[in-house]
Amino acid sequence: GEDVEQSLFLSVREGDSSVINCTYTDSSSTYLYWYKQEPGAGLQLLTYIFSNMDMKQDQRLTVLLNKKDKHLSLRIADTQTGDSAIYFCAERWGDGQNFVFGPGTRLSVLP
Amino acid sequence: KAGVTQTPRYLIKTRGQQVTLSCSPISGHRSVSWYQQTPGQGLQFLFEYFSETQRNKGNFPGRFSGRQFSNSRSEMNVSTLELGDSALYLCASSPEGTGNTEAFFGQGTRLTVV
Repeated sequence: GEDVEQSLFLSVREGDSSVINCTYTDSSSTYLYWYKQEPGAGLQLLTYIFSNMDMKQDQRLTVLLNKKDKHLSLRIADTQTGDSAIYFCAERWGDGQNFVFGPGTRLSVLP
Repeated sequence: KAGVTQTPRYLIKTRGQQVTLSCSPISGHRSVSWYQQTPGQGLQFLFEYFSETQRNKGNFPGRFSGRQFSNSRSEMNVSTLELGDSALYLCASSPEGTGNTEAFFGQGTRLTVV
């Protein structure tokens, strides 16, 4: 079945770049997503990428997709303390709004 | 435009009871999906409703059910609650089902079963 994997923890210094990695197994996925979850909150959609794209940039966020290796990454430039949160990679499968989520990467930003 | 609204935000129930959670999607959105989030299992898909019909279903027992009304609001029901049902329940809404790219999540309902 579908499976999404992520490393569980990442620590960076404020001002540095963060790179969060994700691998997925469903080669038929059409869209891949990054969501952010702050403590006690729901999921905030950060960005998504269509499977026929290699890269998408949105302000401080850059998404890279290597479809051959089924590898997705999220780069956050100039990481700030407000970026501390859990980041979920997700793939959408089937013909509806059903997402398969990774376990989430807890990003800690150190001053 | 108001976001996805889930009520209640917090709920405490006793084993064996049943519970109903509500989700009001963003105005104009017709697809509502439900997810369960637990520390052990992460985020798991429960089911999706579109135009009052359940279109997709995850691997949860029949104690978990849902429905969608003509105004796209959705409810999910869990009967005969177990301790393991304690979780954050999230719903997501999308403008329509197939082909649409974005799903927006509510703040969730935190259910505690004692």
